[in-house]
Amino acid sequence: KNQVEQSPQSLIILEGKNCTLQCNYTVSPFSNLRWYKQDTGRGPVSLTIMTFSENTKSNGRYTATLDADTKQSSLHITASQLSDSASYICVVSVVSSGTYKYIFGTGTRLKVLA
Amino acid sequence: DVKVTQSSRYLVKRTGEKVFLECVQDMDHENMFWYRQDPGLGLRLIYFSYDVKMKEKGDIPEGYSVSREKKERFSLILESASTNQTSMYLCASSRRGAPPRGLFGQGTRLTVV
Repeated sequence: KNQVEQSPQSLIILEGKNCTLQCNYTVSPFSNLRWYKQDTGRGPVSLTIMTFSENTKSNGRYTATLDADTKQSSLHITASQLSDSASYICVVSVVSSGTYKYIFGTGTRLKVLA
Repeated sequence: DVKVTQSSRYLVKRTGEKVFLECVQDMDHENMFWYRQDPGLGLRLIYFSYDVKMKEKGDIPEGYSVSREKKERFSLILESASTNQTSMYLCASSRRGAPPRGLFGQGTRLTVV
């Protein structure tokens, strides 16, 4: 069964600290993996997208890694800011019958405190 | 700036009402999707469409229907709203034949009372 699991479910850190969010997936055939940031009450916004052959991709203070062998991805946030408080969702795309579909994780809720 | 636009940010409807949620994209994407998002459950696919007048059931289609009369517009219909349909609804679009860029609308928070 195609599944995406994220950990931790929630996280509280102090402003300026770093943190790492985890995403494990059992999805086949894998197309790409994307990390989204979702502010409360808003739609998700894409942070990074990684294909099978990519190991690392950065977007400002966000760095995503992908290990396609172990089917694990992480999102590292450097020097956190209050505006990083949001839910972070890992999404894996699969190809099924010639079309693409999303498999969503349930997200990690991050709270950054001053 | 390309985008996916949902017609309402917040909606409050009564049980039994017929509800229309509208989604428009300006990127000429073939694929359009409707999801609902509930705490602890993540995003779940309700319906998707790969072309005009084409629709496919997602994981939780019960109680919903959709309409895609034009390429840029994908409507989600709640024939008779119920309180368990209170949720955040998200529309997304992508181009066929390429990995989805994952563009979402801003979401519609629907409350059924």
